[in-house]
Amino acid sequence: DGGITQSPKYLFRKEGQNVTLSCEQNLNHDAMYWYRQDPGQGLRLIYYSQIVNDFQKGDIAEGYSVSREKKESFPLTVTSAQKNPTAFYLCASSINTGNTEAFFGQGTRLTVV
Amino acid sequence: AQSVTQPDIHITVSEGASLELRCNYSYGATPYLFWYVQSPGQGLQLLLKYFSGDTLVQGIKGFEAEFKRSQSSFNLRKPSVHWSDAAEYFCAVGIKAAGNKLTFGGGTRVLVKP
Repeated sequence: DGGITQSPKYLFRKEGQNVTLSCEQNLNHDAMYWYRQDPGQGLRLIYYSQIVNDFQKGDIAEGYSVSREKKESFPLTVTSAQKNPTAFYLCASSINTGNTEAFFGQGTRLTVV
Repeated sequence: AQSVTQPDIHITVSEGASLELRCNYSYGATPYLFWYVQSPGQGLQLLLKYFSGDTLVQGIKGFEAEFKRSQSSFNLRKPSVHWSDAAEYFCAVGIKAAGNKLTFGGGTRVLVKP
């Protein structure tokens, strides 16, 4: 079945360590996005990519990095520079031209201790 | 920059009663508008969307929403709520000129009383 797969579902890391969250899609979508969700704050955009080998910062990019080497993959690295990394992270994708409907993965809950 | 406001953080409704969730947006032109639903610990599922045309749109699970340009609103409604509708609901705005990014409201959590 087509869809977006995020892994792992739960992730625990020690403070000061970098961690990479995986996002893979087989929908043949050009655009991919990373959102962060905190209670009561809705979803905030971290990074997005409209095409392979290109990506742009969203509203809260500090302390995060991404790559887009393949159309189907858009991993997110949470670096030690991110001050409050504990959150629920959601990956999404959409057809880039015109239709902006986004499809979401099931999310990764990151806990930094 | 565009923004989305969902004034109600929590709403409690009895099963079988009607439900209306409010959404207001701020943007100079007509954006693309969406409603998503999220169950605890899960991703977001699209309920319905508005791109253009008829301002009353029908979605899945018996939901509908009405776009009112004069009020910059896109309120979500359901005539009769089921216990399975308990979830968090997000309104979102998409603007093609902004790279098709979505801007989300803060969400409304719906509790359903038996």
